Amino acid sequence: TQLLEQSPQFLSIQEGENLTVYCNSSSVFSSLQWYRQEPGEGPVLLVTVVTGGEVKKLKRLTFQFGDARKDSSLHITAAQPGDTGLYLCAGAVTTDSWGKLQFGAGTQVVVTP
Amino acid sequence: NAGVTQTPKFQVLKTGQSMTLQCAQDMNHEYMSWYRQDPGMGLRLIHYSVGAGITDQGEVPNGYNVSRSTTEDFPLRLLSAAPSQTSVYFCASSRDGTQYFGPGTRLTVL
Repeated sequence: TQLLEQSPQFLSIQEGENLTVYCNSSSVFSSLQWYRQEPGEGPVLLVTVVTGGEVKKLKRLTFQFGDARKDSSLHITAAQPGDTGLYLCAGAVTTDSWGKLQFGAGTQVVVTP
Repeated sequence: NAGVTQTPKFQVLKTGQSMTLQCAQDMNHEYMSWYRQDPGMGLRLIHYSVGAGITDQGEVPNGYNVSRSTTEDFPLRLLSAAPSQTSVYFCASSRDGTQYFGPGTRLTVL
């Protein structure tokens, strides 16, 4: 059973468009992370959010942690082909459970020129 | 720093064979983990370790063994490979919340 549900599963957009990816759960997480994975490689951490309601910006990427710490979203503004990849959210149930994250199934994003 | 290294990169086994996937990190991280990634399933935790000599089971531990004799190394052993273990395996190390993943081992069990 997947604790973290990601939607949509697949997203294909044109360069310059905006997109939002969602990560939802019925469980409360101490913190939530977003990773991007490219083909043939391991996931790479983009951001960690730890406070309910927190918003973090990383250039054109905006991450939000829900007030109840059960959900998160990733918004990309003016997407570029380099944003193509599998976006994974991962949650830590407690502050000392970094070694055992719960992952969502991922959203495959394809940005075409 | 090499980060997290995994060997081999690719492996084909026959049902019933055993093998060890190697994982090493040179960042002196306390936490190390093994995940498997299957299409549509995301990453699922197999085993993890919070330090040398300490290991524990994750979500899908059956058919796998681990040990952690040193901080640097965390090998994953498949005792008797089954087709259901066909997957991509990732090792990760972490400290202060940031997980660093290795490049993965793609395993096929025939």
